[in-house]
Parts: sequence; C-alpha cells; structure tokens
Amino acid sequence: QVQLQESGPGLVKPSQTLSLMCTISGGSISSVGYYWSWVRQHPGKGLEWIGHIYYSGNIYYNPSLKSRVTISVDTSNNQFSLTMTSVTAADTAVYYCARYSYGSGNSFFFDYWGQGALVTVSS
Amino acid sequence: DIQLTQSPSFLSASVGDRVTITCRASQDIISYLAWYQQQPGKAPKLLIHAASTLQSGVPSRFSGSGSGTEFTLTISSLQPEDFATYYCQQLRNYPLTFGGGTKVEIK
Repeated sequence: QVQLQESGPGLVKPSQTLSLMCTISGGSISSVGYYWSWVRQHPGKGLEWIGHIYYSGNIYYNPSLKSRVTISVDTSNNQFSLTMTSVTAADTAVYYCARYSYGSGNSFFFDYWGQGALVTVSS
Repeated sequence: DIQLTQSPSFLSASVGDRVTITCRASQDIISYLAWYQQQPGKAPKLLIHAASTLQSGVPSRFSGSGSGTEFTLTISSLQPEDFATYYCQQLRNYPLTFGGGTKVEIK
C-alpha cells in the first residue's frame, strides 16, 4: 500500500520561500507510469493542481504558478519536494502530495494522496 | 485552460436518495475525467476514472457516465458516509483542472 506524507514548516512569512517535502513509502518513486504531484486547497475552497514530476526529471507546472514554483525529486530517499518563492497570504492553503497514475486508454488519475499539510503565510 | 463547471454546488438529500452531480467541460475532454470524494479535513479519494471506471474498492452505488463535455456522477442510494464534497477533474490537457465541487449534505 503506497503512502505519502508531507512535511515542512506550517508557518511562512510573506515574501519568503515555502518548502515542503513528500516522503513515499510502500512504493518506489522510480516506478514507471507515475508522476508525483502537488495539489493545494485554499481554506474552504476547491482544489488547484500545482505541478508534477517524473522520477527521471520530466516536469509539468501550472502556468499560473510556474514562475514561483520548483518541484524536484530525490530518488535515493524516495522523496519529492515543492518550493514556492515570494509567498503571500494568498498562498495560505493545505498542500497535498499525490501520485498521478497514467495507464492505458483514458485511465489517468490521482490515486494516492498524503494527508495534507496546512501552510499559513503570515508575519 | 479547460474550465469544469459542476452543478449543483450544493445539494441536500436523505439517506437512500438517488443523487446526480453534473460536470461540464469548456471543451471536449473525451473521457479523461475523474471523480473524487472529499470528507472534511481529509484528502480527496478517487472514486471513478476514465469517466465511468469504478476505482477498486469503491462501492458499486457510485457510477459515472458521459463523454465529450458533459459528465455525471450518480450515487444510486445515498449512505450516511457519502455526505461529503465531490470534485470532478479533467486530465485531457495541461494544466490539470478541477471542478468547483458539490457539497452533499443531509436533509
């Protein structure tokens, strides 16, 4: 059973950098057929895809965040990370890491999610 | 970006009711659509992918249909544990996008 766990500071000051790590257990980040993703949810709001990375380094970002976001992978530790620069209060959200599975036909989906990490941007 | 519009955004229903949620895409996404259920304070849970394929372990009272730009999620007989918020997601084009959600509450 694949499990994902987010970790990182819960409080970040405005204009600083948000950094989160996702640790994968029960599976390998290098498995074929999966991208490793970040999704966020503003308080009381819907879901926003941030981006995802393949173990080989291929990356897709949401254009709305691309200028401030970096996703990287650490295959030796079975982890991937998110950094977001120049944060503001609008970046306050629950950040989820998730596994994006792409299979045959139209079978693309997010099948495993972390529990989520609340990050508050405040001075 | 592909916009997904869910309706209704809120519905009140009773245990045993049949519930249908609609998701409309701003352009053709064929059947690259998934549905998720989110309980308060929890991560989303995959229910259906490829518009109509039930994820392993998900009760058969959940079903999905549609293709192109119009999709539906149906719960044939609402159970107490089904009161939650439901999201559709398109996986046809980047950026991947979600619908605004449908909150299902107890009448």
